[in-house]
Amino acid sequence: NAGVTQTPKFRVLKTGQSMTLLCAQDMNHEYMYWYRQDPGMGLRLIHYSVGEGTTAKGEVPDGYNVSRLKKQNFLLGLESAAPSQTSVYFCASSPKLTGVGYTFGSGTRLTVV
Amino acid sequence: KQEVTQIPAALSVPEGENLVLNCSFTDSAIYNLQWFRQDPGKGLTSLLLIQSSQREQTSGRLNASLDKSSGRSTLYIAASQPGDSATYLCAVPYNTDKLIFGTGTRLQVFP
Repeated sequence: NAGVTQTPKFRVLKTGQSMTLLCAQDMNHEYMYWYRQDPGMGLRLIHYSVGEGTTAKGEVPDGYNVSRLKKQNFLLGLESAAPSQTSVYFCASSPKLTGVGYTFGSGTRLTVV
Repeated sequence: KQEVTQIPAALSVPEGENLVLNCSFTDSAIYNLQWFRQDPGKGLTSLLLIQSSQREQTSGRLNASLDKSSGRSTLYIAASQPGDSATYLCAVPYNTDKLIFGTGTRLQVFP
């Protein structure tokens, strides 16, 4: 089925460990986004990309890095995980600007202990 | 900076009731406003998109209205059903290339 696939779905990290979250979309969308969702705070944008080879910072970029080497993939990296990064991470893609046609992945639940 | 708030944070109603969810935004210069649904443990699904030139948009039992001048949108759900239980989020574009989300309203419809 077409859509946005996130891997892994669950992960537990120890403080200081690193990991990469993978987002893959097969809809040929130009724009891709990483959000985190925390209780009472809604979704907050971490980083986004407006095309292959481009990335930009969102609201809460500190502690994260991203790469978009291929149009269909958007990677989110945590170099040194902290308990404050415990959250549910969502990837999304869209074909246009201004929020039209957003498709979300099912999320990655990350716990940092 | 655009800020989006939703009231109430949670709502519990009996099946069959009509209900209204509220969304407020601080910057009225928006292209559109979108309502999403999120089921537990799942991603978000777009329900309705209202362009800035529109006053409302309807899909089945859902009706969303937009009043840019007052910075408000409402999502009206008619004849609510247990299957409507989910979290509903509104979102507006910001700086043309990203969405700003509200904190959501968690809805429970009981039989």
